[in-house]
Amino acid sequence: AQRVTQPEKLLSVFKGAPVELKCNYSYSGSPELFWYVQYSRQRLQLLLRHISRESIKGFTADLNKGETSFHLKKPFAQEEDSAMYYCAYSGGGADGLTFGKGTHLIIQP
Amino acid sequence: EPEVTQTPSHQVTQMGQEVILRCVPISNHLYFYWYRQILGQKVEFLVSFYNNEISEKSEIFDDQFSVERPDGSNFTLKIRSTKLEDSAMYFCASSESPTGGGQPQHFGDGTRLSIL
Repeated sequence: AQRVTQPEKLLSVFKGAPVELKCNYSYSGSPELFWYVQYSRQRLQLLLRHISRESIKGFTADLNKGETSFHLKKPFAQEEDSAMYYCAYSGGGADGLTFGKGTHLIIQP
Repeated sequence: EPEVTQTPSHQVTQMGQEVILRCVPISNHLYFYWYRQILGQKVEFLVSFYNNEISEKSEIFDDQFSVERPDGSNFTLKIRSTKLEDSAMYFCASSESPTGGGQPQHFGDGTRLSIL
């Protein structure tokens, strides 16, 4: 079955420390991968997509097909990064997104 | 910036009753989706819709569920006879083109459905 795994339910780091939120997927084709973020009391919003290879709010994510991973990284965490982060993929076409369970990131002052 | 809007924000319904959740996708988007998130669990895909028909549906989307685009702006999810386990947050999303092309889906705030 197609699956997205985010092993950490909760990740707490201090402000200024590096952050890595892990995401692994199981899919045999060429998936499209995304990171969505949900700040407190706000809607799910796109943070990154692998196809654009961009850095948003200091976050980057590299698709590693060999390890089937799409980990989200930021070198220096900020307090405003505290939120729920969801890794998701699409198998193609008009497929719905398959989400991981999410990681609650808490940045301590 | 245009947004996906959902109404109502909270719906309370007796078990066995029909419920309709409403969504207004972003105006130039052509692909529409419904997801649900049961409390404490992950966001799950229900159905995608394009060109006035269902493109894909998950195993959750059984005969109790239906979707419709009754006019040029609304996109609705109907649950015919609600069960307790239908209690969840329901999210509508839309995208300009297929997500398989790397296009992001834009989500609404969700409707919290509570079945009594």
